[in-house]
Amino acid sequence: AQRVTQPEKLLSVFKGAPVELKCNYSYSGSPELFWYVQYSRQRLQLLLRHISRESIKGFTADLNKGETSFHLKKPFAQEEDSAMYYCALWGQGGKLIFGQGTELSVKP
Amino acid sequence: NAGVTQTPKFQVLKTGQSMTLQCAQDMNHEYMSWYRQDPGMGLRLIHYSVGAGITDQGEVPNGYNVSRSTTEDFPLRLLSAAPSQTSVYFCASRLHETEAFFGQGTRLTVV
Repeated sequence: AQRVTQPEKLLSVFKGAPVELKCNYSYSGSPELFWYVQYSRQRLQLLLRHISRESIKGFTADLNKGETSFHLKKPFAQEEDSAMYYCALWGQGGKLIFGQGTELSVKP
Repeated sequence: NAGVTQTPKFQVLKTGQSMTLQCAQDMNHEYMSWYRQDPGMGLRLIHYSVGAGITDQGEVPNGYNVSRSTTEDFPLRLLSAAPSQTSVYFCASRLHETEAFFGQGTRLTVV
């Protein structure tokens, strides 16, 4: 089965604190994984993809095949990071499968 | 490039009415998809297409039809609207194994 699980619906942190948004996946084969962000119910935007290994807005994510995880991390959260974050998997047959999403709230 | 354009942005329907949500992209993308976004449920795949003339069902296809007569357009049809179809609908397009680009969404209310 192809599945993406984000166990936390809401994550609330204070400004300057570290952030980790969890993502676990189920997929047979080499996965292609993404993180998307949605600000204030606007359209989704790509934040990063594992294959590019780049850091966007201070966020990084490492693919851990042993733990089937792709957690999103940022060492120091900013108020403007408050948004919905979605982990996504490029599945077989051309499907792009999303997790349930995690709402990040960064308090001043 | 306009990217992915969805129309309308807002729509209110009565139960039993039918309508078509429009989605167009000008990036010559092969793949197009429709999702619905509901609180606590994330984005769920309704239907998707890997090219003109080819469509397939996603996770929640019941009550929806699609067609892909051209590369650019991928309309989503609600056959007989039900209150359970109240949601925000997003269309997305992408090339093979690249990032997906999303439309701005259609907020649909069925009363």
